[in-house]
Amino acid sequence: AQKVTQAQTEISVVEKEDVTLDCVYETRDTTYYLFWYKQPPSGELVFLIRRNSFDEQNEISGRYSWNFQKSTSSFNFTITASQVVDSAVYFCALSEAMTGNQFYFGTGTSLTVIP
Amino acid sequence: GAGVSQSPSNKVTEKGKDVELRCDPISGHTALYWYRQRLGQGLEFLIYFQGNSAPDKSGLPSDRFSAERTGESVSTLTIQRTQQEDSAVYLCASSLYPAVNEQFFGPGTRLTVL
Repeated sequence: AQKVTQAQTEISVVEKEDVTLDCVYETRDTTYYLFWYKQPPSGELVFLIRRNSFDEQNEISGRYSWNFQKSTSSFNFTITASQVVDSAVYFCALSEAMTGNQFYFGTGTSLTVIP
Repeated sequence: GAGVSQSPSNKVTEKGKDVELRCDPISGHTALYWYRQRLGQGLEFLIYFQGNSAPDKSGLPSDRFSAERTGESVSTLTIQRTQQEDSAVYLCASSLYPAVNEQFFGPGTRLTVL
């Protein structure tokens, strides 16, 4: 079974629209970490955010915000007022502190922002 | 170093030849990971190092693939008798400690097997 599911394969939005990228994870560990990465067309993965399982506070960084809900095992990512530079593939990832040190990546969501 | 570096950035080889891909992690990072990314696809985990040992080799696709890490620093991924299906971008990442910390990725090596 997939540990990290990103059901949205591709999303297109018009510039300045808000967009939410979904991430659902599965784990039995009580201590785990969630991550989002951006992979622009240039190819290099860029780290965006890390959350641990004990911190459910939502986080905002500029136009980016993250909604972590343990009740639904989701860690969704919202971009407000999207820009063309946001066009990229976004990956959600999970690591488990007790059961192993492998990172589990979702299959990614390709976001295209149309000017 | 400033970030994770990988070499070569591009490698074109003929089917059946061996290739070596190199990764220089961020200094002081204890964990090092190798991934494969085929065109338009997600990340496929290959192998993980904690220090110089590899507790998890579960992702290596076949015995033609091997990797080592020395001096808790540089790592080499070797593919023997390359096949066309090995064509992909090979990504290396490092983190300060495994699981807890975020991974920082290198720019990748694009391998093309003719």
